[in-house]
Amino acid sequence: QVQLQESGPGLVKPSETLSLTCAVSGYSISSGYYWGWIRQPPGKGLEWIGSIYHSGSTYYNPSLKSRVTISVDTSKNQFSLKLSSVTAADTAVYYCARGGSSWAEWGQGTLVTVSS
Amino acid sequence: QSALTQPASVSGSPGQSITISCTGTSSDVGSYNLVSWYQQHPGKAPKLMIYEVSKRPSGVSNRFSGSKSGNTASLTISGLQAEDEADYYCCSYAGSSTWVFGTGTKVTVL
Repeated sequence: QVQLQESGPGLVKPSETLSLTCAVSGYSISSGYYWGWIRQPPGKGLEWIGSIYHSGSTYYNPSLKSRVTISVDTSKNQFSLKLSSVTAADTAVYYCARGGSSWAEWGQGTLVTVSS
Repeated sequence: QSALTQPASVSGSPGQSITISCTGTSSDVGSYNLVSWYQQHPGKAPKLMIYEVSKRPSGVSNRFSGSKSGNTASLTISGLQAEDEADYYCCSYAGSSTWVFGTGTKVTVL
C-alpha cells in the first residue's frame, strides 16, 4: 500500500517561495509512475499543478509553469514542489498524489496560507 | 487549459439514481479514455472512484459507474445512500502529460 505524506511550512509570506515535500512509503519512486501535486483553495475545486516522472521529466500546468518547479530525490524516496512569487491566491490545501492513468493515491494534504 | 464543466449540485433521495456530467473539449475528454472521478468528503483527501472512464478500483462499490460520449463524461450513482453525500470531481488527461480537473459537484442526499 503506497502512502504519501506532505510536509512544509504552513505559512508563507507574499512574494516568497512556497516549498513542500512529499515522502513516499510502500513503493520506490524510481520504479515508475508519475508523481504529482494538486491544490485546492479553501471552498474551491481541485487544480493540477504539475507532475514528475520517475525518470525526472517534469510537466506543469501552463497557468503556473513560470513559477513552478517539481523535483525528485530518489535516495530519500520523496519529491518536492517549489512555487515562487506567491500571492494570497496561492493559499490552498496542497496534495501530493501518485499518478498513472488516474490519481490513485493521495496524501492527506497540507494547508499553506500566504499572508504577511 | 480550462476546467471541465460540472453541475454545481445534484441531489436525490435514498435509493434513487443520480448522474453527474463532466463536459470538456475535443482536446481532453473527447480525445482520451483517461477520465477519472473522485469523491471528497469535507476535510478529507479525494478518493478515486472511477478510472479510465468506466473502471472501478478494488473496494469501490458497484453502485458507482462511469461512461463517456463525445466530449462529455458521466458518473452515475445508483441506490443512493447517505454516505454518498460528498463533493465529486472529474479529471481528464489533456495531452502532453497534462491533466485538468472539473469544477466539482456537490451531491446531496435528501
